[in-house]
Order: sequence, then C-alpha cells, then structure tokens
Amino acid sequence: AQKITQTQPGMFVQEKEAVTLDCTYDTSDQSYGLFWYKQPSSGEMIFLIYQGSYDEQNATEGRYSLNFQKARKSANLVISASQLGDSAMYFCAMRENGLNFGNEKLTFGTGTRLTIIP
Amino acid sequence: KAGVTQTPRYLIKTRGQQVTLSCSPISGHRSVSWYQQTPGQGLQFLFEYFSETQRNKGNFPGRFSGRQFSNSRSEMNVSTLELGDSALYLCASSLSQAGVPYEQYFGPGTRLTVT
Repeated sequence: AQKITQTQPGMFVQEKEAVTLDCTYDTSDQSYGLFWYKQPSSGEMIFLIYQGSYDEQNATEGRYSLNFQKARKSANLVISASQLGDSAMYFCAMRENGLNFGNEKLTFGTGTRLTIIP
Repeated sequence: KAGVTQTPRYLIKTRGQQVTLSCSPISGHRSVSWYQQTPGQGLQFLFEYFSETQRNKGNFPGRFSGRQFSNSRSEMNVSTLELGDSALYLCASSLSQAGVPYEQYFGPGTRLTVT
C-alpha cells in the first residue's frame, strides 16, 4: 500500500493566487515527521517545511504553511501568493518513528507538478 | 555554509560497467542518505550512513553499495550496471540527533545514463 499519496499529478495556478497541494499518508507509528520538498527542473530537492506528529500547531515558513489534519492523515501544503518561481515538482515525504535516533529514511509520494501561469 | 555537493553531475556508462558516485555533506552533518529517482519508480531510499556505519538500507540488490569516510563524505557504488539503473541519484545529509526532527538537505544529484 502507498504510504504517501499525492493525488494531483499536475496543477496550473494563476500567479498571485494561493494553491493547496494534497498529501495523505499511512502509518501505524505514533511518532513521525512529514516533510515537503520542492524540486525545480535542475533536479535539486529543496526543503520547504516540516510537521511533527506531536506538533499541535500547523507549521508555517514564510509563504508556505502545512495544513495538518492528523485524524484524516493528511498534510496538505499551502502556498500563498504564488510566484512564477514556484513552478516545480513538489514532493510530500514521511519519516516514520520520526524522532527515533537512527532512522533517516524518507518515503516520498509521487509528486505534483505545479505550473504558475503569469 | 556550503551545501551538499555531488560529483560528477552527469555520467554515461555502458551496461556491465561499474560506477562510483561521491557526496560531500554539509559541514557538521554526520548522516548521509542516498536516493534513486526514476520516472517509473519515483524516489526510492537506497541506504543511509552515519559515522561510517550503514544504519538503514532500502530494497535494492547487492550491486548497490556504499561507504562513508571519517570526514562524513560518502560514496555509492553500482556494479554490473543495467539499463534500469539509469536515474538521478540524490544524496542528502542531516544532523541526525536523537529526539530532534532535523530535515535532510539534498545535493544537486548525479544523473547516470546507462547505454
């Protein structure tokens, strides 16, 4: 079974609009971490935002926020006021047993290709 | 602070050959992980090294191996290359301390083409 599901293969969004990228996950661990990465066409994965399973507040980093709904096992990325430079692939990832020393393995979703239209 | 560096950036090899990829982590990071990215399989975890020891391993054949040196630099080796090994190989480094959810920082990747 897929551990990380990203159901939107591609999205087109008008510049300056907000966009929500969906991510659902599956784990039986109580402690886990959820990450979002951006991958431009150059290939490098850029860390955007992190949410821990025990974090009570939704994470925010500048224009990025994470809409964490633990009961629904979803961790959607919200980008406010989108810019042309936001065009890229976006990956949701999970590290199970997230705070356990010795586990750095990330499981990735299939990604969403976001295109910002001027 | 310098980011994660990977060399070479591009590589073309022939089936049956072997290849070694190199990764230098961010200074102070002791954990180095390797991932393979292909259009068909997406991003898959290969293995992770910490203090010169392999801590975690993904589901890849024994042709894929790695090591880490005392300065935390890591190398990944693929022997007897197959066409399906063509991929972007990404290296990531992390502080990796107990109880703290440090993120992984990725390098630019090495794009390997097997012909």
